[in-house]
Amino acid sequence: QKEVEQNSGPLSVPEGAIASLNCTYSDRGSQSFFWYRQYSGKSPELIMSIYSNGDKEDGRFTAQLNKASQYVSLLIRDSQPSDSATYLCAVANSGGSNYKLTFGKGTLLTVNP
Amino acid sequence: GAGVSQSPSNKVTEKGKDVELRCDPISGHTALYWYRQSLGQGLEFLIYFQGNSAPDKSGLPSDRFSAERTGGSVSTLTIQRTQQEDSAVYFCASSFVMNTEAFFGQGTRLTVV
Repeated sequence: QKEVEQNSGPLSVPEGAIASLNCTYSDRGSQSFFWYRQYSGKSPELIMSIYSNGDKEDGRFTAQLNKASQYVSLLIRDSQPSDSATYLCAVANSGGSNYKLTFGKGTLLTVNP
Repeated sequence: GAGVSQSPSNKVTEKGKDVELRCDPISGHTALYWYRQSLGQGLEFLIYFQGNSAPDKSGLPSDRFSAERTGGSVSTLTIQRTQQEDSAVYFCASSFVMNTEAFFGQGTRLTVV
């Protein structure tokens, strides 16, 4: 079982719509959760972090975490063509003796004008 | 500097040569990570440093790969006897401590010919 799973997409939404990106993880002891955006040929850019159950909003972005379901999501409201990128979910845990920051393979989002 | 700095940005090397990739983390960040990303693939964990603790080398793909971090700051990733399958973008990231937000450098694109 993969540690962090994301739908590879592509996810295509019209400009102005809500884009919903999902991620599941296997380690129940995971403690910290992050969303990164990666434009083609660029490095990952942190857009959201979430540490406790519930919703966290920052501008057009909302991260949602449900530890019981081992599920984290990212909603992008009023999607813009500039949001077109690959979105990476990252999960951190320090179970046992090793700390891990593990990334999913990413979901490609395309926002159509 | 304000962000994570990696050098060189690009490196072309002949098969069998050794290469060194450098990472200068954000000042004050105790955690440092190396990942690599092959074309069209996800981020593959290589090695993690936390302060003065022994690094987590569990992601290094072979004994040709090694990394060190001097004085808890600058890190060097060394690849000996490079092979064509080593061609990838190598990213460094740093965070204040474990479980906190990690910020990426711009990456080093390594091409082995």
